[in-house]
Amino acid sequence: EDKVVQSPLSLVVHEGDTVTLNCSYEVTNFRSLLWYKQEKKAPTFLFMLTSSGIEKKSGRLSSILDKKELFSILNITATQTGDSAVYLCAVSMDSNYQLIWGAGTKLIIKP
Amino acid sequence: GAGVSQSPSNKVTEKGKDVELRCDPISGHTALYWYRQSLGQGLEFLIYFQGNSAPDKSGLPSDRFSAERTGGSVSTLTIQRTQQEDSAVYLCASSSGRGETQYFGPGTRLLVL
Repeated sequence: EDKVVQSPLSLVVHEGDTVTLNCSYEVTNFRSLLWYKQEKKAPTFLFMLTSSGIEKKSGRLSSILDKKELFSILNITATQTGDSAVYLCAVSMDSNYQLIWGAGTKLIIKP
Repeated sequence: GAGVSQSPSNKVTEKGKDVELRCDPISGHTALYWYRQSLGQGLEFLIYFQGNSAPDKSGLPSDRFSAERTGGSVSTLTIQRTQQEDSAVYLCASSSGRGETQYFGPGTRLLVL
């Protein structure tokens, strides 16, 4: 069965800390891995990763994919209270148009 | 349009009533998805439209749920005889094609009393 597992399920840190969120997957015909940030209702797109070892970076956020070990990490440095959100990981496959979603990591940044 | 839009943003209804939720995808996007997210839960796939192909309805939880997409653009999700367990946020997303990045609308929060 195709699945995506995120860890931890929740995380509380203080402003300024660095956090690492994990996403592991087991799917057939992997195509890409996507990270989304969900603050209120709608998830907003962060990164799409297709190749191993190539870091994607946007400001304080970065992500990398390991296709051999079947996981990705999302790093956030110098966290701010505005980073508080649920971070979702999803995987797309060549054989299927659907995304397989993880349950998300709820990140809380304390001032 | 610039992004995916959904309406209404919030809907309160009484048990047993029918509701219609609307999604207007990004212009030119051929793929459209409906998801449901209950409080504190992950995204639950409901239905997928791709171009003029027959939709994949495999995620619809019961025959009270239906959706259509007119002219390959706007989509309507209809829930008949609503139940309290239908209370959730209903999210619509669109993408430029199969397996491409999905962009989400702001969602409709449905509360069935």
